[in-house]
Amino acid sequence: GAVVSQHPSRVICKSGTSVKIECRSLDFQATTMFWYRQFPKKSLMLMATSNEGSKATYEQGVEKDKFLINHASLTLSTLTVTSAHPEDSSFYICSARDASGGYEQYFGPGTRLTVT
Amino acid sequence: GESVGLHLPTLSVQEGDNSIINCAYSNSASDYFIWYKQESGKGPQFIIDIRSNMDKRQGQRVTVLLNKTVKHLSLQIAATQPGDSAVYFCAEIRAPGTGFQKLVFGTGTRLLVSP
Repeated sequence: GAVVSQHPSRVICKSGTSVKIECRSLDFQATTMFWYRQFPKKSLMLMATSNEGSKATYEQGVEKDKFLINHASLTLSTLTVTSAHPEDSSFYICSARDASGGYEQYFGPGTRLTVT
Repeated sequence: GESVGLHLPTLSVQEGDNSIINCAYSNSASDYFIWYKQESGKGPQFIIDIRSNMDKRQGQRVTVLLNKTVKHLSLQIAATQPGDSAVYFCAEIRAPGTGFQKLVFGTGTRLLVSP
């Protein structure tokens, strides 16, 4: 149980285009999902907290107009990287917290974004 | 500022040895900690957690120790196996139980297990 998926697992896009990454909780409902970014050989950095049906809460320094987050249902949150640039290339990981309670976050497998 | 960090960036051990991975934290108000394992190209995998009202917790082949006096956390892996090779992160839950909870990750330690 408690499986989180991400799609796509890898994506390559050209500068200036937008890319959407999906995060799904497969066997539980998640009122809260989190988006992280991870650079090579570095730790995970929280980008934003996404609550179902409301606006995401972004961490300091994260541009909300650049990284659009939508959490339209209890099992799906999306992260859209708009007008991507090479410096947006990174490993993006989502996590989800079960709506039934608890504080544990279940992590997705990550999405490798490469902007050329 | 507040941070969660690790003392050793890389730890190399022989198969069968016991491994100890350390973590220091600075937020004395934190009362919940988690250890994660991350293999290359994958998301973090939960290993074990501990609340601040405990100083030790054991799982299968893993033990987490918490020393609140010096704000130190460690993960002990018994009889380390090649499959344990990964990066290990400690993480701290900020403001647990208040509805505003977020994980703050440490810098990570790479564990290399040689056969």
